[in-house]
Amino acid sequence: DAGVIQSPRHEVTEMGQEVTLRCKPISGHDYLFWYRQTMMRGLELLIYFNNNVPIDDSGMPEDRFSAKMPNASFSTLKIQPSEPRDSAVYFCASSKTEGTPEAFFGQGTRLTVV
Amino acid sequence: RKEVEQDPGPFNVPEGATVAFNCTYSNSASQSFFWYRQDCRKEPKLLMSVYSSGNEDGRFTAQLNRASQYISLLIRDSKLSDSATYLCAVNGGATNKLIFGTGTLLAVQP
Repeated sequence: DAGVIQSPRHEVTEMGQEVTLRCKPISGHDYLFWYRQTMMRGLELLIYFNNNVPIDDSGMPEDRFSAKMPNASFSTLKIQPSEPRDSAVYFCASSKTEGTPEAFFGQGTRLTVV
Repeated sequence: RKEVEQDPGPFNVPEGATVAFNCTYSNSASQSFFWYRQDCRKEPKLLMSVYSSGNEDGRFTAQLNRASQYISLLIRDSKLSDSATYLCAVNGGATNKLIFGTGTLLAVQP
């Protein structure tokens, strides 16, 4: 399996622009997580899905952030409008209900908002 | 109080030393526990799951204390290549919601 695939790997954008991050989970995994990592706050859970349905979005910082999972193999995290404080590494991870539910991570998207 | 807490370190130890990390969690209904390793500018990768009876994988030993709600990771005979950030992760009980600690930075010195 190719693992969790995220794109783009790096994104530099100007404040106020819309940013869309993409994730393809591991085939057969029914959970998908979006995390944000910064030096100050560590790895924060933003939102997670089960069977394409958002279960808990309490970690989404504000209305500028939105996430969708239109099907089992694709999810997006959108920031509109972006702000410099959104600069971070955004990770997508997936796991499955059956067996030990460890999460597997994508390589992350390093976002810089200038 | 954070759901999962770790000492951020850094832990600076000489090669060959034994080092231990602890992680506390607040949700008593949590069912699954993990240690992840994260190298600089890389994604977190599973190091080992933590079972109720404790488990060992080579130089690494993980333990769970449900009564006190903490998990631990022991690294024996530390190597330079063990230098990384170690994150504990705890699931949310009834769901697979996975919460991470902030991570503990380990630097093994020659």
